[in-house]
Amino acid sequence: EAGVTQFPSHSVIEKGQTVTLRCDPISGHDNLYWYRRVMGKEIKFLLHFVKESKQDESGMPNNRFLAERTGGTYSTLKVQPAELEDSGVYFCASAKTEGHEQYFGPGTRLTVT
Amino acid sequence: EDQVTQSPEALRLQEGESSSLNCSYTVSGLRGLFWYRQDPGKGPEFLFTLYSAGEEKEKERLKATLTKKESFLHITAPKPEDSATYLCAVRPLGGYSTLTFGKGTMLLVSP
Repeated sequence: EAGVTQFPSHSVIEKGQTVTLRCDPISGHDNLYWYRRVMGKEIKFLLHFVKESKQDESGMPNNRFLAERTGGTYSTLKVQPAELEDSGVYFCASAKTEGHEQYFGPGTRLTVT
Repeated sequence: EDQVTQSPEALRLQEGESSSLNCSYTVSGLRGLFWYRQDPGKGPEFLFTLYSAGEEKEKERLKATLTKKESFLHITAPKPEDSATYLCAVRPLGGYSTLTFGKGTMLLVSP
């Protein structure tokens, strides 16, 4: 069974540019989560999808971040315009049900210069 | 506010030297405590879920235990391949299913 995949693995952009991160969850997992780890800090929750609906987006930093999950399959996280403080590693995780363990992807390392 | 504190921040062991990692948590109510292992450049890899005080789970050289205030990850006779960052996370009662993570303990096992 394929795990959670994320694309790209690395992205370096300039402040003010736009970046879109993609996550493909494990097949059959309705729950999809986005997390972020800023250097020196712990992994922090961004938002949670159940199928195509946003269940909880309380962790989204501001309206420069837009997440979508069309058709309840893969998800994208767009940052527009990017700021220096957006740099970090963005992780995606999926779970079969809300009560089950979450399986993480390898992450996308975003560097904003 | 839910809080997870892991100690020590870093731990260096000799191969075969057993030790424990600590995860202290403060939550309004615990729905689950999770241990993950993370290798450099990779995402967290699920190890264990603990749900109630007194519960224990084992996997190879790792054993996780849970009390009402903390969890321990015991590593028995570690090998160099056990070197990784070990992350603890909690899922509180109520609300949704998001995880609150600690900063992790970086373990290095020397041959």
